[in-house]
Amino acid sequence: QSALTQPRSVSGSPGHSVTISCTGTSSTIGTYNYVSWYQQFPDKAPKLIIYDVTKRPSGVPDRFSGSKSGNTASLTISGLQTEDEADYYCSSYAGRSKVFGTGTTVTVL
Amino acid sequence: QVQLQESGPGLVKPSETLSLTCNVSGGSMSNFYWTWIRQSPGKGLEWIGYIYYSGTTNYNPSLKSRVTISVDTSKNQFSLKLTSVTAADTAVYFCARDFCTSSSCYLDYWGQGTLVTVSS
Repeated sequence: QSALTQPRSVSGSPGHSVTISCTGTSSTIGTYNYVSWYQQFPDKAPKLIIYDVTKRPSGVPDRFSGSKSGNTASLTISGLQTEDEADYYCSSYAGRSKVFGTGTTVTVL
Repeated sequence: QVQLQESGPGLVKPSETLSLTCNVSGGSMSNFYWTWIRQSPGKGLEWIGYIYYSGTTNYNPSLKSRVTISVDTSKNQFSLKLTSVTAADTAVYFCARDFCTSSSCYLDYWGQGTLVTVSS
């Protein structure tokens, strides 16, 4: 059960957009539309920001959006804000189990 | 509002058993999967396993031989036992609720996490 692959870090200026990729396999992202994304600040628990590939929980700003193509899912943060600086993890259902991504640090320049 | 809270020893000796409990408040445990996840210092998240409220379990293959997750719905809590621990098991351990149906699947509520250090 290998971790999903994410870039180690991405950065962008306030107001710009950044996209984080999350690459899995045909046994994870390629088969299931159960990709979720979590935002984590230092010493805090992860927080759900996207689920089922594209859906946003209540209270999550609409500048966060998700998509999927083949074995790769993506999280886009549009109109980047300083408070978006955090670690982001993707996760996929893997047939009666779950697998997480390697994590991406978003830096707001 | 559902809340989860981990509890247990913060220090465990090598070769001994790590035991944690997650107390669930603000909602029923019925019809949900209850999950343990860990995060080694400075590292990413690792799924440990889950238990359905009825008792069905599934574990990460890399930990399966050492992990047991149990549930006590009468106390609104579930527990993790990890045997024969080494320094590599030092991590923040999170409990979480897994909302997983035939059309949706995600971890919607998390505990704050508890650091367990394995050291003599």
